[in-house]
Amino acid sequence: DQQVKQNSPSLSVQEGRISILNCDYTNSMFDYFLWYKKYPAEGPTFLISISSIKDKNEDGRFTVFLNKSAKHLSLHIVPSQPGDSAVYFCAASGNQFYFGTGTSLTVIP
Amino acid sequence: NAGVTQTPKFQVLKTGQSMTLQCAQDMNHNSMYWYRQDPGMGLRLIYYSASEGTTDKGEVPNGYNVSRLNKREFSLRLESAAPSQTSVYFCASRQGNYGYTFGSGTRLTVV
Repeated sequence: DQQVKQNSPSLSVQEGRISILNCDYTNSMFDYFLWYKKYPAEGPTFLISISSIKDKNEDGRFTVFLNKSAKHLSLHIVPSQPGDSAVYFCAASGNQFYFGTGTSLTVIP
Repeated sequence: NAGVTQTPKFQVLKTGQSMTLQCAQDMNHNSMYWYRQDPGMGLRLIYYSASEGTTDKGEVPNGYNVSRLNKREFSLRLESAAPSQTSVYFCASRQGNYGYTFGSGTRLTVV
């Protein structure tokens, strides 16, 4: 039973526009959320995180929003760049980390 | 560079063969993990070690064994490989409630 879901397997965005990646979770006890970015043939690398006591965390072009009542988080990338093309995984922490299935982002030059 | 090192990067096995995937981290992290990534399945936890001397099953442990050799090293063993174990395997380490640091992965094909 998937506790963290990313319902969009892929997303294409024009360079310079906003990319919005979505993630839903089922367990209200999750208290820490992360986004990872993965290039082909490489391991996932940490991108940004948010604690459940916050509803927004920003780091440069990347912002993560958390809506606890909806059990939903999203990653906004503004402006999107071709180098952002990768697979993005969200993860949620309970007694262990649970990962979503990933969204493949393509930023078109 | 500090991080998580996995070996080998690629491996092809015949059904029934055994092998050990090696993982080492130099960040003095207490916790180490083995995940597998399959298309459409995300990352699934196989085994983890919360600290040196302890190991626990994750979501998909069947067909695997692990050894936490010391604080740095956490190996994953396939005793009798099956085609269903064809996957990309990632080792990761973590300290406290911070996010994982992942290795670059081992692409395993069982024929």
